[in-house]
Amino acid sequence: QVQLVQSGAEVKKPGASVKVSCKASGYTFTSYGISWVRQAPGQGLEWMGWISAYNGNTNYAQKLQGRVTMTTDTSTSTAYMELRSLRSDDTAVYYCARYRLLAYYMDVWGKGTTVTVSS
Amino acid sequence: QSALTQPPSASGSPGQSVTISCTGTSSDVGGYNYVSWYQQHPGKAPKLMIYEVSKRPSGVPDRFSGSKSGNTASLTVSGLQAEDEADYYCCSYAGSNIPVVFGGGTKLTVL
Repeated sequence: QVQLVQSGAEVKKPGASVKVSCKASGYTFTSYGISWVRQAPGQGLEWMGWISAYNGNTNYAQKLQGRVTMTTDTSTSTAYMELRSLRSDDTAVYYCARYRLLAYYMDVWGKGTTVTVSS
Repeated sequence: QSALTQPPSASGSPGQSVTISCTGTSSDVGGYNYVSWYQQHPGKAPKLMIYEVSKRPSGVPDRFSGSKSGNTASLTVSGLQAEDEADYYCCSYAGSNIPVVFGGGTKLTVL
């Protein structure tokens, strides 16, 4: 079945970087994009950006420009999201989701990775 | 501040219908037929319920329906069941520079 398996929880200090992985299975990885969405404790969903697994094109949320990088490894059907210069307000659950290019919706979601930023 | 406006809460009794609104602008909801809705139970990942305004993915009960009028999209849940109690988020395409914008979410309570 189609699934996205994310890496485990992380605890980071302010100023550090985190890299979350998202391994896809059950479908042709390069036929879709991967979107990243985060959710701070008790808050709503925030779109971070997406990457085309076909050609690596990316589109990042303006507020994260310069701090986030999304990549894919097609040989292992894995997507990565790296966030740098972490702050306390980056504490959140980070989700990857399969993104339907040109239809603009996310139809399969990973279970989420908790990233805690604390000194 | 969320780009799309949803009521923070909605409620209904089992068997009743409830509609959740999602108001945007002509640059997002009103400009494209790319509105989607997601259900999220506490501690769980979001789940796609509606895409392209009114289409239901396989496996989503037909009690869930979506529509749009002008700059406002709506999700209607008919025949409310206890398991429908969750947070619901709308989402819209808003152009090539901002392909995804979410609403602030609506907590649906089944009384």
